[in-house]
Amino acid sequence: ETGVTQSPTHLIKTRGQQVTLRCSSQSGHNTVSWYQQALGQGPQFIFQYYREEENGRGNFPPRFSGLQFPNYSSELNVNALELDDSALYLCASSLSPARNTEAFFGQGTRLTVV
Amino acid sequence: DAKTTQPTSMDCAEGRAANLPCNHSTISGNEYVYWYRQIHSQGPQYIIHGLKNNETNEMASLIITEDRKSSTLILPHATLRDTAVYYCIVRVATGTGTASKLTFGTGTRLQVTL
Repeated sequence: ETGVTQSPTHLIKTRGQQVTLRCSSQSGHNTVSWYQQALGQGPQFIFQYYREEENGRGNFPPRFSGLQFPNYSSELNVNALELDDSALYLCASSLSPARNTEAFFGQGTRLTVV
Repeated sequence: DAKTTQPTSMDCAEGRAANLPCNHSTISGNEYVYWYRQIHSQGPQYIIHGLKNNETNEMASLIITEDRKSSTLILPHATLRDTAVYYCIVRVATGTGTASKLTFGTGTRLQVTL
């Protein structure tokens, strides 16, 4: 068990709606990364937040946005939902963004867009 | 843009060592090799990581070849609970400052049998 918690665990949204997913990082971790995992695929990097600033981004459109708060918890926002956004969304926290720092994942939020 | 190649699936008898190979022939000198596993649709679980020396922890051992072009994850005494998808990952810079990301492929599905 890691100390990374995500909410909600499941939700269903309609195409065109907006959604906010939340992540509480492990104590002492100032870096949060978000990943999208489609069915049968490995997780794909969306973006990373470090000390409240976006610190890197993958190949996702601008309708995917995020925030990190002073307590290092984070939100992922997705606007104008599309059917292909249906996936498991994972957040991972780490002590720093450095390459030699392990990242610990939460259990994910299962988003279904109908 | 996964930088690793793994077999799609492997079987292992319970109690035997499971040796999971990974090729990462284009790895750069400062990129780390990480191993995670994922059971059903839970969040990926960190196993181990290394740069060029062999590493061991309570879960597994990581053997990295001298040229760093391949590695092997060893689970010394596999149990049924080790059945999962195992991801070999090269942690790469995202190109912006300190950020780095885990680039997942499709992993190896390990089935541990009685």
